[in-house]
Parts: sequence; structure tokens; C-alpha cells
Amino acid sequence: EIVLTQSPGTLSLSPGERATLSCRASQSVSSTYLAWYQQKPGQAPRLLIYGASSRATGIPDRFSGSGSGTDFTLTISRLEPEDFAVYYCQQYGSSLMWTFGQGTKVEIK
Amino acid sequence: EVQLVQSGAEVKKPGESLKISCKGSGYSFTNYWIGWVRQMPGKGLEWMGIIYPGDSDTRYSPSFQGQVTISADKSINTAYLQWSSLKSSDTGMYYCARHASGVDPWGQGTLVTVSS
Repeated sequence: EIVLTQSPGTLSLSPGERATLSCRASQSVSSTYLAWYQQKPGQAPRLLIYGASSRATGIPDRFSGSGSGTDFTLTISRLEPEDFAVYYCQQYGSSLMWTFGQGTKVEIK
Repeated sequence: EVQLVQSGAEVKKPGESLKISCKGSGYSFTNYWIGWVRQMPGKGLEWMGIIYPGDSDTRYSPSFQGQVTISADKSINTAYLQWSSLKSSDTGMYYCARHASGVDPWGQGTLVTVSS
């Protein structure tokens, strides 16, 4: 079973700053099946990035994904007030078994 | 518009049974896997299992195998998650979501509260 570990657990930043979120896999993950989600309180998760680096429909270009193998990164170039939320990475390809990281909370400093 | 609409919140007692639903629209329901995800209060996302409505092929997370049953009725574009005997530890938000390029869209969630 693939385990995804996200770091840091909490990121305290100010609007306008750059956010860098990490997702490390316990074994190599196909980039095709690595995704990132944003979840705000009281809402369902929303797909941001799929295939490690492709933005989902309607996602602003300040969100970008990168990485391969066991190390993946979500970058928010300049934080907007609406970006403060919890972010999850996920792999969704290995035998159709989905695995989520534990989440990174991006909070206002 | 592609969307998944889930059934409403439920309040149940321990030992009771429950079946919640997830109706797809705006796409070919039989051609995409539908997964179920649990989120306990204040916690992260846990994958429970997945079903292919076209032939009802189903896979379960080892953590949920034997604890829940996933099914689908392709004639009405609906997937289901059911419990035969609820426990208080089943309290949480349950989401269905479509396996596509990424997992998208997600249903709005069904809150299940199990309390005596």
C-alpha cells in the first residue's frame, strides 16, 4: 500500500506570499495518477491539479504542480484570501486504490 | 454539467442499517468508476472503495472491507453505500466522487450521525 506524507502540517503565511506544499510517497507513483485538492470548511474537496502538473478546469494559474517518482509539490505563487484552506495530495492509479495524504493547512499568519 | 448529487443527512442509532445514494448526471454514468470517501469530524480523507457502474465491479479498501457494501443501479445512474449495523464510530461525512482525470467531480457529501 502506498503511503503519502504531506509536509508541513500547517503553513502560516500572509496574502501575497508564495506557498510550497510537499507530498512524499512511500514508493514511486506514476505522475499520471497524482492529484491535489483544496478543501474549505463545510465544502467538498475540489480538484486543483491532476497528472501531477495539469490544472483542472477553472483553476487559476497561480496554482502549479510538479514532481515525479516519490516527491511532488504544489505551489501557490501568490496567496489570495480565498486560498487559505486545507490541501490534500492523492494517488489514484494503483489498482484503482486511492490514497490521500494527511493534508496541509494553509492559514493566515 | 457533470455532477454528483448525494442523499440528505441521516441520524441513526447504533445497530441500525443505512443506505445512502449518489446520483450522477451530465455524463455517461456507466463508463466511469465512482469512489466513496469518508471524512470523520476534523480529520482527513479516507478512501473506502470504488465501483464501476457498467458491470458493478467493486473494490474495497482493506480498512472498510466487510464493514460497508458499495453497489450501483445503472438504470437510474445511482451508486450506493450501505451499512447493515451502524456503530457510533461511523459518524462522519461521506463523499462520492468520479474517477476521471483526477477525481472529479465530488458530491456535496452526506453527513451520517450515529448516536444513541
